[in-house]
Formats: sequence, structure tokens, C-alpha cells
Amino acid sequence: AQKVTQAQTEISVVEKEDVTLDCVYETRDTTYYLFWYKQPPSGELVFLIRRNSFDEQNEISGRYSWNFQKSTSSFNFTITASQVVDSAVYFCALSDFFSGGYNKLIFGAGTRLAVHP
Amino acid sequence: DTAVSQTPKYLVTQMGNDKSIKCEQNLGHDTMYWYKQDSKKFLKIMFSYNNKELIINETVPNRFSPKSPDKAHLNLHINSLELGDSAVYFCASSHRGQGAQRPSHEQFFGPGTRLTVL
Repeated sequence: AQKVTQAQTEISVVEKEDVTLDCVYETRDTTYYLFWYKQPPSGELVFLIRRNSFDEQNEISGRYSWNFQKSTSSFNFTITASQVVDSAVYFCALSDFFSGGYNKLIFGAGTRLAVHP
Repeated sequence: DTAVSQTPKYLVTQMGNDKSIKCEQNLGHDTMYWYKQDSKKFLKIMFSYNNKELIINETVPNRFSPKSPDKAHLNLHINSLELGDSAVYFCASSHRGQGAQRPSHEQFFGPGTRLTVL
């Protein structure tokens, strides 16, 4: 079954701390894509990153970095030197494919990150 | 230049009413979706359309009827609203994969419509 688990419901840190958000997935597919989305207090869903199952290189974008490990079915997200503006709910998602080239996203339950000054 | 837009942003209505939410995308995508986010923030797919054709219907009550007049628009009509329909509804769009190629494109989400049923 396709499933995404974000075991951390809420994380609270002080500004400038590093924080890692965990994501573990289950999939029947050998080719799949993983995503992270950010939902700030304003409510919109903001795309952060896409990773395909054949590319296990870690990715860094500014203060954000992602660690993809197929062996443990994990796709963790680290924010370095966190800032108050990072406060949001973060969702990990897995693509679920259908014949015909269609897909839908299976979301984890989300991790609420609160960064305090 | 909003990529995926939804109207209205907020919708407050009485139980039993019928209401519609509209979605439009200007990204040139051929596939559109409706997702529901409940009060606990769980996000779940409801429907997907490709070029006006229904592709995914995730056992949503038939009080919910999506309609796609063209590939840039996907509307959601809800009949006989119930308290449990209160949620945030997100529209999204993406490219479909070609042939055996799996779609790699991320889904772009609209700003959401917060529906409150009293």
C-alpha cells in the first residue's frame, strides 16, 4: 500500500537551531517521486522539492537540505539555522501512479514546526 | 499572474444548501485535482480530471460533483451540505505523463477555499 508517515506531529525550536523533519514512506512502485510541501499560517501549499527514486543524491537549497535513503525508505528534511519565517506545517508526499500516465499525491499527516525568537 | 486560482476563498453556509467552488489554472497543464484538508490538516485526494475526463474519484459521496468545462477549469459543486463537509478544499494542476513515462511534475496548488457549514 502507498503510505507516508510523518511521526513528528509538532516540533518546537528556538531560532538558529537546526531541525530535521522525518518522513518514511511505503510504496509498491520501483519508480516513484517524493515531495515536500510547506503550508505557512496563511494556508497555501508551497512546493519545496521533488525527488525521484533513482536519484539518491542529497539536495541542498540555501538553509534547506534533504536526505533521501531508499534503504530505509526515508526522505528527511533539515532546516539549518531556523528562522521564525520557517514556522509552518510541512508535508511529505508520495506519488501514486495509475495506468495512462496519471498520478495522485499521498500526503503524510504533516509536521507543525514552530520556531520561536 | 496567479497560476492556480480558486473562488471563493471563504464560504460560510447553512447545512442543506448547495454551493460551488471554482478553480482555474493558467499553467497550460492538462490534469487538475481537488484535495480536501480536514480540521486535523489531513490532505486527501478527491477527484482528478484530465482534459475534461474524470480520472480519479476517491469514493467521495455523490453529493460532490466535479465539472470540467475545459482543461483549464475544474469546478466542484456540493449538494445538501453537511457539517462534516467543513474543510479547506484545494485545487491543483499538473502535467500528465506521456505514454509509459511517469509524470514527474509536481502539482501546483491553489490558495484553498475554506468551507464552513453551520
